[in-house]
Amino acid sequence: DAGVIQSPRHEVTEMGQEVTLRCKPISGHNSLFWYRQTMMRGLELLIYFNNNVPIDDSGMPEDRFSAKMPNASFSTLKIQPSEPRDSAVYFCASSFLSTGELFFGEGSRLTVL
Amino acid sequence: GQQVMQIPQYQHVQEGEDFTTYCNSSTTLSNIQWYKQRPGGHPVFLIQLVKSGEVKKQKRLTFQFGEAKKNSSLHITATQTTDVGTYFCAASINSGNTGKLIFGQGTTLQVKP
Repeated sequence: DAGVIQSPRHEVTEMGQEVTLRCKPISGHNSLFWYRQTMMRGLELLIYFNNNVPIDDSGMPEDRFSAKMPNASFSTLKIQPSEPRDSAVYFCASSFLSTGELFFGEGSRLTVL
Repeated sequence: GQQVMQIPQYQHVQEGEDFTTYCNSSTTLSNIQWYKQRPGGHPVFLIQLVKSGEVKKQKRLTFQFGEAKKNSSLHITATQTTDVGTYFCAASINSGNTGKLIFGQGTTLQVKP
């Protein structure tokens, strides 16, 4: 079975550019999560969706960040404009709402110069 | 905000020695999960604890959930080099599996052969 698929795996961009990260959750999972991981702050929950509906976006750093889940098989996390402090590994994870066990993708490593 | 404190941050052990990481919260937890992240990898689910005082074992790994459901521990007996990685606890504060998991800072384990 395919796991959670994220793209791109690596992205290097310049400050001010728009960044779009993509995620395909495991088929049948009804919860999707975006986490950000840095050495300083660890794993931070940015936003999560249940049944494609955003439930809690209190972890989204600021208005430059936005996330969408137009259907059960696709989600995006957009940063516009990007800043060097956004450099991190961004993980997408999915789960069944009933069990709570998270399945993580391999992450998107973002570097903003 | 809600926090889950995990100690120690780092642990270096000789192969064959035991290892323990602790997770503490000031808030009563609905359940707690444990994940392992290998260097350069993504977090992988190990186990979930739900009941007060629960103890679960997976080969050399023993997981405990405190009686007050405010703390948890992961103990590895006779560490091996394959145990290297960062171990995270992740706590669900809300009752049931509403989805919001807060991760501890993680304990990075190094094992000297």
